[in-house]
Amino acid sequence: RKEVEQDPGPFNVPEGATVAFNCTYSNSASQSFFWYRQDCRKEPKLLMSVYSSGNEDGRFTAQLNRASQYISLLIRDSKLSDSATYLCVVRGSGTYKYIFGTGTRLKVLA
Amino acid sequence: DTGVSQDPRHKITKRGQNVTFRCDPISEHNRLYWYRQTLGQGPEFLTYFQNEAQLEKSRLLSDRFSAERPKGSFSTLEIQRTEQGDSAMYLCASSPGTSGSDEQFFGPGTRLTVL
Repeated sequence: RKEVEQDPGPFNVPEGATVAFNCTYSNSASQSFFWYRQDCRKEPKLLMSVYSSGNEDGRFTAQLNRASQYISLLIRDSKLSDSATYLCVVRGSGTYKYIFGTGTRLKVLA
Repeated sequence: DTGVSQDPRHKITKRGQNVTFRCDPISEHNRLYWYRQTLGQGPEFLTYFQNEAQLEKSRLLSDRFSAERPKGSFSTLEIQRTEQGDSAMYLCASSPGTSGSDEQFFGPGTRLTVL
């Protein structure tokens, strides 16, 4: 079983739609969780950290479910510019090693 | 430009040759990471440094791979006796390494093609 698993997609959604991605992780002792965004042929960039209480940044909401070992990302009112690959990232306990998922591709269609 | 820089951006080599990549992190970032990324996959952890100390190295790495960060600033990643399977994008990232600061800042990567 992979340490971090994501549905690779692609998710094709119309502009204005709401889309959600899930990511599961295998290490129950994992400490930190993130969503990174990667545009085609570009480097990954931090989208948002994921906190235990959940957090929101504009149209983006991230949630953590420790009991079920998954994190989620919700994008509301999708824009064409949201088209990218969204990478789930997990850091274990007692280490600063980060494990990336394979990424979920999102295409927002006009 | 005060971001993470990598050199070269592209490298084409023949199988069996040695290659070396350089990464310059954001100034005063304590942690430096190397990743490998292939098409359709997320970045795969290779190794990381806290200042000049190499704290962790992926078990997936063969002994053909070595990384250094001699003065705690720039880092080099060397691949000896390259194989076609080494073809990938090699990404470097740095992070402040201070409490409460987990964000990694990535460089543009070095694309390696092994013929």
